[in-house]
Amino acid sequence: GQSLEQPSEVTAVEGAIVQINCTYQTSGFYGLSWYQQHDGGAPTFLSYNGLDGLEETGRFSSFLSRSDSYGYLLLQELQMKDSASYFCAVRGGYQKVTFGIGTKLQVIP
Amino acid sequence: DGGITQSPKYLFRKEGQNVTLSCEQNLNHDAMYWYRQDPGQGLRLIYYSQIVNDFQKGDIAEGYSVSREKKESFPLTVTSAQKNPTAFYLCASSMSPDRRSEQYFGPGTRLTVT
Repeated sequence: GQSLEQPSEVTAVEGAIVQINCTYQTSGFYGLSWYQQHDGGAPTFLSYNGLDGLEETGRFSSFLSRSDSYGYLLLQELQMKDSASYFCAVRGGYQKVTFGIGTKLQVIP
Repeated sequence: DGGITQSPKYLFRKEGQNVTLSCEQNLNHDAMYWYRQDPGQGLRLIYYSQIVNDFQKGDIAEGYSVSREKKESFPLTVTSAQKNPTAFYLCASSMSPDRRSEQYFGPGTRLTVT
């Protein structure tokens, strides 16, 4: 089976940096992805890590350590529009993806 | 524009009725997925399909059924056997067999059963 853990809520100040952690347990592992979901909306893809290390996409970066079964999403220069839920997702088998419960990020002025 | 459409956005049904949720994609993706999301919860996988005429149960398939007769379409039927059908249902697709495959989501259908 597969399980993922991430914090349920995080609050951060506009302009600051925030890190959202994700630990996972899977029977197979092909990669860790991150998705953003605004209230009432559909999730949208942010980043993917298949190998250890840091991937950077603009203000967002994602890190993976396969030996620690751990990853994180780093959001820099926070903006109010970044207030949303962030989900980590593991591809543990061919085309089968398991999502975490999501971290609700609140950005405050 | 390419994308995934789900209809309707809101759906109301009486308990004991089967209901079918529509999902269509014009992205030419091989893989399609159905997820259920409850308030404050993550996405739970109901069914997924890697190719036409093939589909696999996800983590919470009981009370649901699907078909994949066309590459573009992956309808989900919520049967009367599903004990708690009220939820937000999301359909997604991804290119296959790319292991990186990001999933593209439709806008979702919010089903309320009373």
